[in-house]
Amino acid sequence: EAGVAQSPRYKIIEKRQSVAFWCNPISGHATLYWYQQILGQGPKLLIQFQNNGVVDDSQLPKDRFSAERLKGVDSTLKIQPAKLEDSAVYLCASSRTFNTEAFFGQGTRLTVV
Amino acid sequence: GESVGLHLPTLSVQEGDNSIINCAYSNSASDYFIWYKQESGKGPQFIIDIRSNMDKRQGQRVTVLLNKTVKHLSLQIAATQPGDSAVYFCAEQFKAAGNKLTFGGGTRVLVKP
Repeated sequence: EAGVAQSPRYKIIEKRQSVAFWCNPISGHATLYWYQQILGQGPKLLIQFQNNGVVDDSQLPKDRFSAERLKGVDSTLKIQPAKLEDSAVYLCASSRTFNTEAFFGQGTRLTVV
Repeated sequence: GESVGLHLPTLSVQEGDNSIINCAYSNSASDYFIWYKQESGKGPQFIIDIRSNMDKRQGQRVTVLLNKTVKHLSLQIAATQPGDSAVYFCAEQFKAAGNKLTFGGGTRVLVKP
């Protein structure tokens, strides 16, 4: 079974620029998560989808972050404009449904300079 | 690779000894718990899960204990090996919060040869 795919693996941008991350979850997984992990901390949930609907986005900075999951499969997370404090690893995870094992991708390491 | 555990509490264990990692979770209504292992440069990897109707669950070399009275979760690793060196996170999920999967702060485990 293929795992959760994320791209790119690394990205360096200047502050105020825009960036987008892409996630392809495991086939058949209805639930998709985006997490932000700052160095030395646990992952922080940004947004959670069930199929193509948003379940929770309470911790998503909506003035600069956006995410979508068209057709309930792939998802993109965008930051516009980026700030220095957005430097982190952005992790995508998927699970078959709620309260089942969530599988993570390798993450995208973003550096904002 | 970059360490994910620079500022996390650290547990140093002699190879072959047993390890116990503790986690205090936040919500008494949480009904599903997962332990993840994260190595440098990688996404979190599922270790074992437990539902709130259980007190104990065993896997291969790992055991998770759940004490709902004091909202405490522990992970026991038997005969710790060098490959067990990583950062360990507990995560909780509860229906009242839209099944949001929330991570704790993490513990870094260092296995000494």
